[in-house]
Amino acid sequence: KNQVEQSPQSLIILEGKNCTLQCNYTVSPFSNLRWYKQDTGRGPVSLTIMTFSENTKSNGRYTATLDADTKQSSLHITASQLSDSASYICVVSAGGGNKLTFGTGTQLKVEL
Amino acid sequence: DGGITQSPKYLFRKEGQNVTLSCEQNLNHDAMYWYRQDPGQGLRLIYYSQIVNDFQKGDIAEGYSVSREKKESFPLTVTSAQKNPTAFYLCASRKYGTSGSIKGETQYFGPGTRLLVL
Repeated sequence: KNQVEQSPQSLIILEGKNCTLQCNYTVSPFSNLRWYKQDTGRGPVSLTIMTFSENTKSNGRYTATLDADTKQSSLHITASQLSDSASYICVVSAGGGNKLTFGTGTQLKVEL
Repeated sequence: DGGITQSPKYLFRKEGQNVTLSCEQNLNHDAMYWYRQDPGQGLRLIYYSQIVNDFQKGDIAEGYSVSREKKESFPLTVTSAQKNPTAFYLCASRKYGTSGSIKGETQYFGPGTRLLVL
């Protein structure tokens, strides 16, 4: 069964600090992995997408890494801002783009 | 959210009632999807459509129905057979990319509809 597990479940950090979110997956065959940001009560917005051959991808203060051998990914947020408070969801595609496996998300709260 | 609209933002359903959630996109995307989001769970696929007048069941299609009469529209009906309909419903769409293009696999989500049972 395809699964995506994220940790931690929730996280509180102070504004300006960095943080790293983790994603482990067992999806086969692997096609790509993406990170989405979802604000409360809104739809998810794509941050990064990586294929098997890519091991890092940046989008502003967001940097995602992928280790296809260990089936792990991380999302690093640099110099956090209050607007980073959201749920971050790891999503893995088994190919074709129609069938995605979603993690349950990490709920991040950035405080003053 | 851009280009994908869902309405209403909140919807209340009475026992035994069918309700329809609207999803419209002006992105000229080919495929459209319906997901259900429950607290503490990942998004689950209800139905998806790759072309007009065609759709496939996802992982949790029971109690739901869809239609795809136009490329831009993919309404979801929550029927009375769905015994636990309270959830946040998300519609998404995807543009098919050129062969090997990673961009063709990104799904873009609408703002969602929260369905509550009275």
